[in-house]
Amino acid sequence: NAGVTQTPKFRVLKTGQSMTLLCAQDMNHEYMYWYRQDPGMGLRLIHYSVGEGTTAKGEVPDGYNVSRLKKQNFLLGLESAAPSQTSVYFCASSFVAGTQETQYFGPGTRLLVL
Amino acid sequence: DAKTTQPPSMDCAEGRAANLPCNHSTISGNEYVYWYRQIHSQGPQYIIHGLKNNETNEMASLIITEDRKSSTLILPHATLRDTAVYYCIVRVVHRDDKIIFGKGTRLHILP
Repeated sequence: NAGVTQTPKFRVLKTGQSMTLLCAQDMNHEYMYWYRQDPGMGLRLIHYSVGEGTTAKGEVPDGYNVSRLKKQNFLLGLESAAPSQTSVYFCASSFVAGTQETQYFGPGTRLLVL
Repeated sequence: DAKTTQPPSMDCAEGRAANLPCNHSTISGNEYVYWYRQIHSQGPQYIIHGLKNNETNEMASLIITEDRKSSTLILPHATLRDTAVYYCIVRVVHRDDKIIFGKGTRLHILP
């Protein structure tokens, strides 16, 4: 049981390049999330998904797109990377029981945009 | 805006109990209080959650006031490995709900 995994662990991009971050979970969780964390800051929600085929915007969705084609995978895309998107990206999936929810986080992807 | 207020930092001596406060004065009746922590550079880790009653697990205890407007996370015997940022979140699961983490409390365990 690997939990939540993220690919890649680290990436350097040039401004204007595109890339996709992959999040995978093997816990059969319905809910999945993408967050970004800037130095000294808390987590900010980018996009989330409450089930396969559904996505929704979080606090800071601009410049990102997501897809949830399979229940176990949640992809975060940057179509045209900007230096402001330099950050650490965390994916999470959650176990929901009624109105209670416990999130499990991946190890993070460190992205540097030059 | 975050629904919770936490002190930005706290110190605690190793071996002593660490008591981390959280104010959530606008909490609604069906919102749970959750605590997560983030050890340097790692993904956040779930600690504990509760609705009304005090809760305890192998990691910590959660004390929620009777009016539910504040809570305290207690780490009974803090170790150096407990040095982390601790996040208090209030949440009930809705399909359009957004989780707000805030900046948390940076806990320093002093040897």
